Amino acid sequence: QVPLVQSGAELKKPGSSVKVSCKPSGDTFSNYPVYWVRQAPGQGLEWMGGIIPGFGIPIYAQKFQGRVTITADKSTSTAYMELSSLKFEDTAVYYCARDRRDGGNYYTPYYHFTMAVWGQGTTVTVSS
Amino acid sequence: DIQMTQSPSSLSASVGDRVTITCQASLDINNYLNWYQHKPGRAPKLLIYDAINLETGVPSRFSGSGSGTDFTFTISSLQPEDIATYYCQQYDNLPTFGGGTKVEIK
Repeated sequence: QVPLVQSGAELKKPGSSVKVSCKPSGDTFSNYPVYWVRQAPGQGLEWMGGIIPGFGIPIYAQKFQGRVTITADKSTSTAYMELSSLKFEDTAVYYCARDRRDGGNYYTPYYHFTMAVWGQGTTVTVSS
Repeated sequence: DIQMTQSPSSLSASVGDRVTITCQASLDINNYLNWYQHKPGRAPKLLIYDAINLETGVPSRFSGSGSGTDFTFTISSLQPEDIATYYCQQYDNLPTFGGGTKVEIK
């Protein structure tokens, strides 16, 4: 499995936004869904949302609705996660992960929600 | 959201021991359950998908069972490299993870 490469660590102020990128190291996402999962210090894993890059249709966890935007650029095979109105508690390691199975087609997109290939993680620190 | 209750939250076992972790869903999730291993400073790793299927390349000492609301993850013979935190994750609805089980060597 080809690993995913994420952008570097970020230091942000409360109220600002952060945008993290995720790209397969030697392949394309094709129609495999890409998800975003985070882990705050001392906490467990938390699913944030995902997208099928070939279709550009995002899906979000209710907790992050309105504050997270997940997009994909097919031309560069890069997925992005932007989190706005940052709070101190958004300090976490953010991971992208690719689904184990492809995402069907545009008319019947399918999320298997099984995260088989992961990025290395991006540390986002929110501090004043 | 479907709540996933994982237990124990931590355990300590000897090399060679059989280790069992349980995960209970707040609703029937069929077999829509995955298990991940997460080591500090590394990305999580998928071990088991669809409750019982071993991911390619994962050692056979790892296994999963269960369906409906009650699931079990087993390491048949604990090895030093298995020290990690293990998470269950349901996907009957939008994904949610269990709280994790930290496995240590006694």
